[in-house]
Amino acid sequence: DTGVSQDPRHKITKRGQNVTFRCDPISEHNRLYWYRQTLGQGPEFLTYFQNEAQLEKSRLLSDRFSAERPKGSFSTLEIQRTEQGDSAMYLCASSFEGEQFFGPGTRLTVL
Amino acid sequence: AQTVTQSQPEMSVQEAETVTLSCTYDTSESNYYLFWYKQPPSRQMILVIRQEAYKQQNATENRFSVNFQKAAKSFSLKISDSQLGDTAMYFCAFMDSGTYKYIFGTGTRLKVLA
Repeated sequence: DTGVSQDPRHKITKRGQNVTFRCDPISEHNRLYWYRQTLGQGPEFLTYFQNEAQLEKSRLLSDRFSAERPKGSFSTLEIQRTEQGDSAMYLCASSFEGEQFFGPGTRLTVL
Repeated sequence: AQTVTQSQPEMSVQEAETVTLSCTYDTSESNYYLFWYKQPPSRQMILVIRQEAYKQQNATENRFSVNFQKAAKSFSLKISDSQLGDTAMYFCAFMDSGTYKYIFGTGTRLKVLA
């Protein structure tokens, strides 16, 4: 296993469009996390899954955001009706009840 | 709620010298973990070092070591024999032992000068 992967690496979209990001965690990891990182800031927690159950959602995650992990493996993060303020790096991490391993991130630019 | 503070937005160090990055945190938990992560320019976050709060001994990983002061809620990172490849953003992170989610600081941008 080569680590956590994310797709796409970069996404440019127009305001109002929907976007979906995918994260493939390390295979034996039961926990999967999504973070958002804006320029010059540390990552901010968005949500996390233990297996297929979404256990916590940050108040940062508005109704336009939804995340799934249907079979306890890969996860998707969808943003509906994107806004310019959604422009950020979206990081995925996975763990097995210990330190988290991060993917390379998806950089979203909303024009 | 837990908070993590990194008060040094930017630092620089000469190659082969030693530098210390500071981190303070606030929590009412007694059982937790602390981490330092490195994020090189346009590359992904990499774990540098971890510290369990119940361990009194400071963690060490090759050229990287921490000074963990639990009572003062301080967790600094010392990089010895700095190398050009150490140039990166460094993030301090607190992990709650119940949810295992991270709270990050705002980061310190470290530049190693040749």
